[in-house]
Amino acid sequence: AQRVTQPEKLLSVFKGAPVELKCNYSYSGSPELFWYVQYSRQRLQLLLRHISRESIKGFTADLNKGETSFHLKKPFAQEEDSAMYYCAVFTGRRALTFGSGTRLQVQP
Amino acid sequence: DTAVSQTPKYLVTQMGNDKSIKCEQNLGHDTMYWYKQDSKKFLKIMFSYNNKELIINETVPNRFSPKSPDKAHLNLHINSLELGDSAVYFCASSQDLGGLYNEQFFGPGTRLTVL
Repeated sequence: AQRVTQPEKLLSVFKGAPVELKCNYSYSGSPELFWYVQYSRQRLQLLLRHISRESIKGFTADLNKGETSFHLKKPFAQEEDSAMYYCAVFTGRRALTFGSGTRLQVQP
Repeated sequence: DTAVSQTPKYLVTQMGNDKSIKCEQNLGHDTMYWYKQDSKKFLKIMFSYNNKELIINETVPNRFSPKSPDKAHLNLHINSLELGDSAVYFCASSQDLGGLYNEQFFGPGTRLTVL
């Protein structure tokens, strides 16, 4: 069965520090991976997807098939990055399997 | 405003009652979903519909019944509510059946509290 693991419930960093939100997955096929973000009082929204190899709001994520990881990184955290982050894999059954989420807290 | 909307935003009810949550999307999407987020923030798929046809029905008690009157609406009806049904329920929609560029658009959520 597909599974997404986010080992950290809470990650607290100071402004300007590097951030890495961990995500590991188990999936038998070719995974399609995403990061979704939920800012305070806002709805869940797509941050980035691995296929696009894009950088959004300074965040990047590289798919490492050998380590089955899709960690989210940002070199310099900003206070406005504080939010709940979910890693998700598209299962091919037309739905997303989400990790349990990591709350990122960026302190001034 | 183009979006996925849900009503009500909050729902407080007694055990044993029957309640419905409505979801509408005006994005022209073909596929709609219901997710449940529990108290530990786990988000889990419950159902998905494509063009009014049920695609996914995860292991959900049959007290939960989705209804899709048209492809813009996917309502969730819950019979005989139990304490464990307390959660936030999210509706979502996407353009197609999935793919490398699939993006799901989420509603604001409905917080259900069963007393």
